[in-house]
Amino acid sequence: EIVLTQSPGTLSLSPGERATLSCRASQSVYSNYLAWYQQKPGQAPRLLIYGASSRAAGIPDRFSGSGSGTDFTLTISRLEPEDFAVYYCQQYGSSVSWTFGQGTKVEIE
Amino acid sequence: QVQLQESGPGLVRPSQTLSLTCTVSGGSINSGDYYWTWIRQHPGKGLEWIGYIYYTGGTYYNPSLKSQIIISVDTSQNQFSLKLSSVTAADTAVYYCARVPKGYSYGYLDYWGQGTLVTVSS
Repeated sequence: EIVLTQSPGTLSLSPGERATLSCRASQSVYSNYLAWYQQKPGQAPRLLIYGASSRAAGIPDRFSGSGSGTDFTLTISRLEPEDFAVYYCQQYGSSVSWTFGQGTKVEIE
Repeated sequence: QVQLQESGPGLVRPSQTLSLTCTVSGGSINSGDYYWTWIRQHPGKGLEWIGYIYYTGGTYYNPSLKSQIIISVDTSQNQFSLKLSSVTAADTAVYYCARVPKGYSYGYLDYWGQGTLVTVSS
């Protein structure tokens, strides 16, 4: 099973700042099959990015994904008040099991 | 716009079987364009993929849960279901159903239900 480790656990930033979230895989993710989700309290996760760098429908362009192999990054160029949430990465390249990272909380400083 | 809605008991006794149904609206399960999946989230924790089903009934389960799981589909009702047997307190979680676009690179979840909390307790 591919283990995804997200860092940092919590990111304290102010609106307007840039957020950089990391997701590291225990082994290479096949074809960069990696997605990012945003989850707010009491809500289901929302797909932001798939294929490591493709934005899902309706996602603002301040969200971008990058990376390959074992190291992936989600960047939020300028934080809006609605962006403070928990973010999860997910790999779906393994033929055995799809797995998620443990999450990064982006909180208001 | 597609919507998914989970339903089922919120409380299950230990050693019993947890049964949930996901009703899909705004789209047809048997369109063949998607897989249909279950995810769970333990209280205050991360996400765990449970398994998925295709409209033909083909399934794939998380190996760590495989012995406990049955996922089935009812295309006439536009629903799919999860049964998790021999539950313990460790199965207490919010259970989500979600849609997975079918394609060469399938595996990401583009639409989710709102989730339903299932508590395992006597």
